[in-house]
Amino acid sequence: AQKITQTQPGMFVQEKEAVTLDCTYDTSDQSYGLFWYKQPSSGEMIFLIYQGSYDEQNATEGRYSLNFQKARKSANLVISASQLGDSAMYFCAMREARGFKTIFGAGTRLFVKA
Amino acid sequence: EPEVTQTPSHQVTQMGQEVILRCVPISNHLYFYWYRQILGQKVEFLVSFYNNEISEKSEIFDDQFSVERPDGSNFTLKIRSTKLEDSAMYFCASSDPSPGTGGKEQYFGPGTRLTVT
Repeated sequence: AQKITQTQPGMFVQEKEAVTLDCTYDTSDQSYGLFWYKQPSSGEMIFLIYQGSYDEQNATEGRYSLNFQKARKSANLVISASQLGDSAMYFCAMREARGFKTIFGAGTRLFVKA
Repeated sequence: EPEVTQTPSHQVTQMGQEVILRCVPISNHLYFYWYRQILGQKVEFLVSFYNNEISEKSEIFDDQFSVERPDGSNFTLKIRSTKLEDSAMYFCASSDPSPGTGGKEQYFGPGTRLTVT
């Protein structure tokens, strides 16, 4: 069965520093996609970054990068040069290639300090 | 930039009443989804819809729930007889499976907050 685990309920980071949000997953499929979404206090879900299971390079999108370690089944999000606007809930998610549903982890609330 | 829209933003209803949540997916997308998020909890998949039929649903999506694409633009979620535990944020999403995107990204709407009293 698919499962996403985010073990950090809350994280603090100093403005302009980098932060890593942890995510591990479990699936028996060989083909799947991993996602990170940001949910600010306003409630909307904002797509940040995607990593395919067959992608050899780690995904990067601006200040976001995904540290993908397939053998360890981990897909950690790295945010470089944190900004106050990065304070939000962050969800790791996975979708198997043969399915339609995306399953989400419990989320990590990130607080960026000035 | 195209976006998924949802109406209403907040719906208050009494237990036992029927509610319909509406979504307008991105116009060239072919796959549509509903998710819900109970306050303070994770986002849960409810149902996916493609080619005018349900392609996958979760165990949450029981007979009280139904989805419909009544015309070429709207995608609705109906809850037949609401319960207190249906109170949640409901997100609609759509995706484009074209070769360029590979169907990777689901675009989420802003959500409808449903409060059942």
